[in-house]
Amino acid sequence: DVKVTQSSRYLVKRTGEKVFLECVQDMDHENMFWYRQDPGLGLRLIYFSYDVKMKEKGDIPEGYSVSREKKERFSLILESASTNQTSMYLCASSLSRGSFSPTDTQYFGPGTRLTVL
Amino acid sequence: QKEVEQNSGPLSVPEGAIASLNCTYSDRGSQSFFWYRQYSGKSPELIMFIYSNGDKEDGRFTAQLNKASQYVSLLIRDSQPSDSATYLCAGVTWGAGGTSYGKLTFGQGTILTVHP
Repeated sequence: DVKVTQSSRYLVKRTGEKVFLECVQDMDHENMFWYRQDPGLGLRLIYFSYDVKMKEKGDIPEGYSVSREKKERFSLILESASTNQTSMYLCASSLSRGSFSPTDTQYFGPGTRLTVL
Repeated sequence: QKEVEQNSGPLSVPEGAIASLNCTYSDRGSQSFFWYRQYSGKSPELIMFIYSNGDKEDGRFTAQLNKASQYVSLLIRDSQPSDSATYLCAGVTWGAGGTSYGKLTFGQGTILTVHP
């Protein structure tokens, strides 16, 4: 079974703090993704990575950065946390780069509910 | 903007009925589609994927894909209260050069409630 883990289930931070969210997958997947999920707005892609040290912006990258130094680990960084970044953050991974196949399936971690005060 | 739209819901069905969840997509290049179920406070979990026109059945679930009309649907037969959740439709997003990098575009989700 694919396993995607996230460093924290719940996190409370103060405005202006630098926040690190970590995600680890154990299935040698090529692709990793960070989303945030807010009521009424659905899942929105922040950043993704298709290889070590490679990253691409998603739909809402402002205020975030990412790091992928090892294949299994993908970190999301909030450079200076703000209250509008209070959200559920979901990490996902998938095997391939897209080839009309089930290997496009994304597997999600349990999520981190971040509150910024 | 390439989009995936789901019927707005929420959808309420009695136990034992068929629940029908629908999704339309705007990108004709999308080939693969996924249905996820998300319980309140939990992360999405895959129910099934489909990439060929027609029906695909897995237990009580049937996914249907019609590429000409650009819609995807999920039927849940013999609905149970445990099926109450938000259902997310997603399609593979293709970028320039024909590479998707595995990106998925998700619909907003449809909340399903199955009442006893």
